[in-house]
Order: sequence, then structure tokens, then C-alpha cells
Amino acid sequence: NAGVTQTPKFQVLKTGQSMTLQCAQDMNHNSMYWYRQDPGMGLRLIYYSASEGTTDKGEVPNGYNVSRLNKREFSLRLESAAPSQTSVYFCASELWERENTIYFGEGSWLTVV
Amino acid sequence: KNEVEQSPQNLTAQEGEFITINCSYSVGISALHWLQQHPGGGIVSLFMLSSGKKKHGRLIATINIQEKHSSLHITASHPRDSAVYICALQGGAQKLVFGQGTRLTINP
Repeated sequence: NAGVTQTPKFQVLKTGQSMTLQCAQDMNHNSMYWYRQDPGMGLRLIYYSASEGTTDKGEVPNGYNVSRLNKREFSLRLESAAPSQTSVYFCASELWERENTIYFGEGSWLTVV
Repeated sequence: KNEVEQSPQNLTAQEGEFITINCSYSVGISALHWLQQHPGGGIVSLFMLSSGKKKHGRLIATINIQEKHSSLHITASHPRDSAVYICALQGGAQKLVFGQGTRLTINP
């Protein structure tokens, strides 16, 4: 998944702890996304950012905040982690144009105990 | 009813077989993506289709906008093709809606 880097790859949190997932892309893409993937379900959009400085809620935004400080970076923050947030998180980016390709990070496995 | 349905959910085949994975949807779209997710978790974009047919190596993707249906075909399948294949709908708001995926296993 050249071009999209997300960290950390694995994290265990206690209920109530906070953490930030970091994502960066070096492809000069406008749009960036955070998804979560749970067993038996398709990827679900948490938040997205169509351009630097803008963010919008996706399908499952509750319990999360995001920040798009510059074109490269889009971070996802869990302010008070809950067991229901145990999931695999993927960051993605794309250049929104006619023949766009979407690029994904390698995923972050988060367990909240 | 889900906006996007993939079939089959699981598919096991022998090396060399011709594979077809289907994706049906119920909403208007601007494009449809086919993605591949390997056991390690990484997701790779295979195709983005807005009409017709695309081919890349042994992979062929087709879409029929009128029938709201897309297929992904793999010719001369190989164990390294074992992965989860996901179709995703692209609407007008830059947001993708994902299918649940088809888990493909190719046995030697």
C-alpha cells in the first residue's frame, strides 16, 4: 500500500483511555478517509475529509474525532475508548477525479479491554 | 435491504479454475470499485469501473449500469489469488459503500 502510512499497527487500550491514530499520504491527494472493519460487516466510514481543513461525518462517527491539519495528514482520535471500538481501522486517500484509484493504509488493530 | 450485495460469500476452487464473483446494488452510482484484501489485512484497489469492462492480467471486471450488476472474473486461478474481494459503490459524495466481501480460497 505504497503512499498511505498509518500508525500504530497494533494497540491495546483500557476502557476510558484516549489515543490517536495517525495517517499520512505522500501522493498529494485531496480526499482522505477513516474506516473501521468489523467481522461480518463491510468497511464503514467513520469520517472523511474532502480537502485540507474540512472534515465530515460518515456512517459511524460517534466516539471519534478527526483532524486534517494539512494535505498530508488525517488523524483519528478516540477520546474515551469503549470496548465497542475494538476493530481494525483503515485510513485511505484518493485524488477525486474521473479515473480515481483509492489507496489504503495497512490497517491498525485496536483492542479496547 | 443492503445497498450492495456480493455473492457468493465464500468460494473455494481448485487451481486453474475460472472464478466469478458477483456484486449487485440497488442505488444509483457514479462508479464501482473492486478491492482485494489479503490475509495480512492490506487492501488494494483492483479496478474502478463506470461502464463496460476492464482487464488487468488475469483479472477482468465488468459492469452493467442498467442492471445494477458487476462481476469480477479471475482466469487460470492460482493459490496466491486467495483473498477477500470487496466491491464498493461510489456515489456522488465521495463516500464509498462497501459490500461484505467474498472470501476466495484457491487450493493447489
